[in-house]
Amino acid sequence: AQSVTQPDIHITVSEGASLELRCNYSYGATPYLFWYVQSPGQGLQLLLKYFSGDTLVQGIKGFEAEFKRSQSSFNLRKPSVHWSDAAEYFCAVGPSNDYKLSFGAGTTVTVRA
Amino acid sequence: DGGITQSPKYLFRKEGQNVTLSCEQNLNHDAMYWYRQDPGQGLRLIYYSQIVNDFQKGDIAEGYSVSREKKESFPLTVTSAQKNPTAFYLCASSQGDGLSRAETQYFGPGTRLLVL
Repeated sequence: AQSVTQPDIHITVSEGASLELRCNYSYGATPYLFWYVQSPGQGLQLLLKYFSGDTLVQGIKGFEAEFKRSQSSFNLRKPSVHWSDAAEYFCAVGPSNDYKLSFGAGTTVTVRA
Repeated sequence: DGGITQSPKYLFRKEGQNVTLSCEQNLNHDAMYWYRQDPGQGLRLIYYSQIVNDFQKGDIAEGYSVSREKKESFPLTVTSAQKNPTAFYLCASSQGDGLSRAETQYFGPGTRLLVL
């Protein structure tokens, strides 16, 4: 069965500093991977996705993620965070032959001035 | 603008009452989904529908029911059998272009259900 682990429940980062959020997945074949962001009381917005091809994926809002098959990871990065990046971030995985996605428990990011 | 709308934003349920959450999309997407979100647990799939008049149970379907009579609408009913309904409910949709079923899912703004 597929699953996703986000090891960090909460991360605090200073504005302007770099950010890296970890995501580890469990799935037998090549997965489809997603990162979503959720502001308080809102729905989820897609940041980026990996289906195939280049393992470094660029997304919106200056985010990028790197797919590492050998480590079963899909970590999200941003070189310089802004106060507006404070939110909850979810990693998700899905196989190509199934409509179902599995979501991690999420990582809450706090940005301090 | 194309998107997914959910209503109401907040919903209150009394004991023994059934309540229905609305989800409408104008993206012309084939597949629609309902998720439940609880603090610290991420999103859990309740039901999903790949096509009109067809739907499948997700991981936590007990106490919930759905219908898919129109492509653009996928209402969720929280029945009195759901003993712990307090949560944030998210509706999503995806294109389903036939090449892959794991298409990108786009989410609505959510409905928060509270029990009185």
